[in-house]
Amino acid sequence: EAEVAQSPRYKITEKSQAVAFWCDPISGHATLYWYRQILGQGPELLVQFQDESVVDDSQLPKDRFSAERLKGVDSTLKIQPAELGDSAMYLCASSSRPGQLYGYTFGSGTRLTVV
Amino acid sequence: DAKTTQPPSMDCAEGRAANLPCNHSTISGNEYVYWYRQIHSQGPQYIIHGLKNNETNEMASLIITEDRKSSTLILPHATLRDTAVYYCIAYTGGGNKLTFGTGTQLKVEL
Repeated sequence: EAEVAQSPRYKITEKSQAVAFWCDPISGHATLYWYRQILGQGPELLVQFQDESVVDDSQLPKDRFSAERLKGVDSTLKIQPAELGDSAMYLCASSSRPGQLYGYTFGSGTRLTVV
Repeated sequence: DAKTTQPPSMDCAEGRAANLPCNHSTISGNEYVYWYRQIHSQGPQYIIHGLKNNETNEMASLIITEDRKSSTLILPHATLRDTAVYYCIAYTGGGNKLTFGTGTQLKVEL
């Protein structure tokens, strides 16, 4: 079964440092999502890509977060500088087209701890 | 998308049916009811969705009330591996974002 690949699985970083997460969606999936999940809460959408274009980044803290999907395939989410409040699970998901809910496949996430 | 309300936690004995309720009293006519679950330290996994009619697949059954203001996800024979957070989401699809609440933590015990 096709999977969404994410790396690293775990990341510990000091505050004020830069950190990056990588996501490789299911082959052929044009839509890619980054979600952040704080412990005890549901996932929250940070950014949505359609191919290489950003469709929705209204919840992305743009002063420190950036996301790119240069060739419309894999994607990178960066935080610089990291803050203690950024400690969370960062989830990537992909779908073959926007809004195809049951077609959303999530990766296993990157657990970030900022110390 | 309509707001949904779920109990924060539920317990179920292994082998018994787990019935997870969801209230969505403000759901609009074009919003589907979707269920996802998230096992600890994994990403959410799609379970089932429906609009008006009851639905069943290999994972679960979804019962939607006639007025569509509430629904129940049924896991007919819960196992320890069904321990997870279950999210009920009202969603129109299209280009709208998928919005998660806090879900129900289901604990299946021996």
